Order: sequence, then structure tokens, then C-alpha cells
Amino acid sequence: DIQMTQSPSSLSASVGDRVTITCRASQGISNYLAWFQQKPGKAPESLIYAASSLQSGVPSNFSGSGSGTDFTLTISSLQPEDFATYYCQQYYSYPLTFGGGTKVEIK
Amino acid sequence: EVQLVESGGGLVQPGGSLRLSCAASGFSFSDHYMDWVRQAPGKGLEWVGRTRNKANSYTTEYAASVKGRFTISRDDSKNSLYLQMNSLKTEDTAVYYCARCARVVSGTYYFDLWGQGTLVTVSS
Repeated sequence: DIQMTQSPSSLSASVGDRVTITCRASQGISNYLAWFQQKPGKAPESLIYAASSLQSGVPSNFSGSGSGTDFTLTISSLQPEDFATYYCQQYYSYPLTFGGGTKVEIK
Repeated sequence: EVQLVESGGGLVQPGGSLRLSCAASGFSFSDHYMDWVRQAPGKGLEWVGRTRNKANSYTTEYAASVKGRFTISRDDSKNSLYLQMNSLKTEDTAVYYCARCARVVSGTYYFDLWGQGTLVTVSS
């Protein structure tokens, strides 16, 4: 199985801050990586697929990069509605696997 | 409106069975691969399994933790996805989400739409 490791597991930031979350795969997955946002008590929502392609309707302050084993989700200017937990997920091979999540909290 | 709505969750004893449903609307359900993903209370996301579409013979994939106990099926005439869960264990307690898969140019699939989830509690 491919292990997905996210860091940090949590962070505190202020509105307007630039936030970067990293995701590392235990083996190469090309660009077969997605990012999801989940707010408390809600279902996950798709943000990014193919490592850097923005899902329709997602604000442009979100961006993704990376290929192979190392990936990054960047929020260029944190907004109040962006406080949530973020997950990466590989869809390179079965079983599909998720990172452990990064909780973004208000400083 | 494009949406997925799960139902069928509840309390069940260890060793028991439960069938979850996911009703799709607003899109061509039969064209899509469909998955189940679960989330134990306070934990992260765990993929459960997948059913492919008719063009791919409705073949399925499962996580090792549920293989042999859970069965994914679909009824395209009813725009519905199902998860039959047998021999349930306490560790199967989770919110279960259905998710629609979108095809990427490379021929792989990612989740682009999620349902709101249904809670399954396995406890005596």
C-alpha cells in the first residue's frame, strides 16, 4: 500500500496569511494526487486533482504543486471560510489512500 | 441539482448486517465509477471500495479491511449505489460517504462529488 504522510498535522494561522501544507507519498505516484477540504460535521469537498488542477468553483487562492513523491497545497491568503481540515489522497494504485489530515486553526 | 444522498445508517450489533444506499441526481449516474469512503469518529478518511460502470463490466475493488464482508453494487435504472455490510465489527463504526469519480485525461479517476454521509454504529 502507498502511505501518504501530511505535515504539519495542525497549524495556527491568521486571516491573510500564506499557508503551505505538504504531502509525501511512500513511492512515486506521478501526479495522481487530490486535495480535499473538510469542515466540522460536513462532507469533504474536492479542491484539486492531478496535483495542480483546480476543481471547478474552487477559489483561485488555492493552488497545488508537485509530482512523484512530494506535493504541496498552498492557500495564498487565508480567508475565514478556509479554516478546516485538509486531506491529500493518491489515486495511483489500489488501495486508494489518504493522508492523515492537516487541521488549519485560527491563531 | 447535482447531489448524492446516503441513507440506511443506524445502530447494529457486532456480527450483524446493514445495507446503505446512495441516491444520485442531477447527472448521468450510469456513466460514472462510484466509491464508498468512511470516516471513524474523530479520525481521517478511509477508502472502502469502488464499482466501475457498465462499460467496464461493473467490476469492483475493495480495501483489505472490508474485502469478503462488504459488497458494493449499483442499479443504474434507479440511479442508486449500495453498500451491503455483513459480519460487522465495532471498528466499522464510521460515517460512510458515497463519492462520484471523475475521469482524468490519464485514465485514472478522482473524487469530484461527495454525499453528506450516513452514520453506522456497531455496538452491543
